Amino acid sequence: GENVEQHPSTLSVQEGDSAVIKCTYSDSASNYFPWYKQELGKRPQLIIDIRSNVGEKKDQRIAVTLNKTAKHFSLHITETQPEDSAVYFCAGMEYGNKLVFGAGTILRVKS
Amino acid sequence: EADIYQTPRYLVIGTGKKITLECSQTMGHDKMYWYQQDPGMELHLIHYSYGVNSTEKGDLSSESTVSRIRTEHFPLTLESARPSHTSQYLCASSEYYAPASGNYGYTFGSGTRLTVV
Repeated sequence: GENVEQHPSTLSVQEGDSAVIKCTYSDSASNYFPWYKQELGKRPQLIIDIRSNVGEKKDQRIAVTLNKTAKHFSLHITETQPEDSAVYFCAGMEYGNKLVFGAGTILRVKS
Repeated sequence: EADIYQTPRYLVIGTGKKITLECSQTMGHDKMYWYQQDPGMELHLIHYSYGVNSTEKGDLSSESTVSRIRTEHFPLTLESARPSHTSQYLCASSEYYAPASGNYGYTFGSGTRLTVV
């Protein structure tokens, strides 16, 4: 089955700086990679996703890049703000349409 | 508004009690899931269902059981709670993945934080 590794486990940035979270996956057949944001005490929410037929997708200050050859994908947040502080999860989709989640990254934006 | 609902939000119970965590969705989704989220954040899949009368065990061994008698309802039951069951339990639902287009993502409920004393 799919295995997803996520790094770093904790990331601290200064407000206004960029943040990058990286994930690698094992199943070359995986073709869907979502990112979830979980604020303290709240439910995980989908913030952006990418399918294997594109290499990059942007939505305002967030972007995701995918390198199928290397089997890794990354979340990029520009001009970080305090409200970006949360836990971020990447995921890959394995056979049967189940998502396999990474271990999560705690992002702290210092003002 | 279509959403997924979990009750209760918080539950403190004694060891040996039987409990049922409720999960209902009005999204019209066929697929539903239960995740256990430990204090270290990781999401562990414990049960999933592809539709009515379909239930499967997930990657993390769990002493809980689930049922799917109605599309919108996916309750999780612990026959005899133990302190090791203390955790946050998240329910989620999704459509079937469509490769061509559209959104495919899990919608999560707000979770049940269970404490067994």
